Amino acid sequence: ETGVTQTPRHLVMGMTNKKSLKCEQHLGHNAMYWYKQSAKKPLELMFVYSLEERVENNSVPSRFSPECPNSSHLFLHLHTLQPEDSALYLCASSQGTGGITDTQYFGPGTRLTVL
Amino acid sequence: AQSVAQPEDQVNVAEGNPLTVKCTYSVSGNPYLFWYVQYPNRGLQFLLKYITGDNLVKGSYGFEAEFNKSQTSFHLKKPSALVSDSALYFCAVRDGGYSTLTFGKGTMLLVSP
Repeated sequence: ETGVTQTPRHLVMGMTNKKSLKCEQHLGHNAMYWYKQSAKKPLELMFVYSLEERVENNSVPSRFSPECPNSSHLFLHLHTLQPEDSALYLCASSQGTGGITDTQYFGPGTRLTVL
Repeated sequence: AQSVAQPEDQVNVAEGNPLTVKCTYSVSGNPYLFWYVQYPNRGLQFLLKYITGDNLVKGSYGFEAEFNKSQTSFHLKKPSALVSDSALYFCAVRDGGYSTLTFGKGTMLLVSP
């Protein structure tokens, strides 16, 4: 599990705040992902980066802004969030570029609460 | 489109008994199937995957899963449950034509002493 780290582990923010979530992978992988996990709902894929380029954006609101400066780091910038955005945000990485046999490895997540 | 269903919200089993967590899938091409486990306040941990070959796949912590193409199922099994197996289990599928994983809603496994 230490292969993918996320900071902070917990975050409480107001709707007018701006904050960022950080993910770092130490596995030498080429693809990174952001997921949202809400209670009693399936995991929702938000963004996919392959070799530092965004390859998928699943209709995520613009108040979520990803950044991938290199293959080891992924950020999720947050601004003017809504209470319904409160969830566990999970980062994952995989060795390939999202190929069909690729296995994703997850970080511990950031528990976000929007007041 | 690809989809996966986990019909049980919760599975209860006594320690030492065999366990099964069910998963069915729908894809248009060849299915690539995964099981993950999530312990409280932790991320998802990879357990096992089916890509091709033997229908019985062995994974971490003594878990295994059986791929059944005719029933479009990929149930997770373990011969003897441990209390420490109590966690949330996710099945996921990737269609041959897609690169993203589709996850089920998860099944909570509770193993009683």
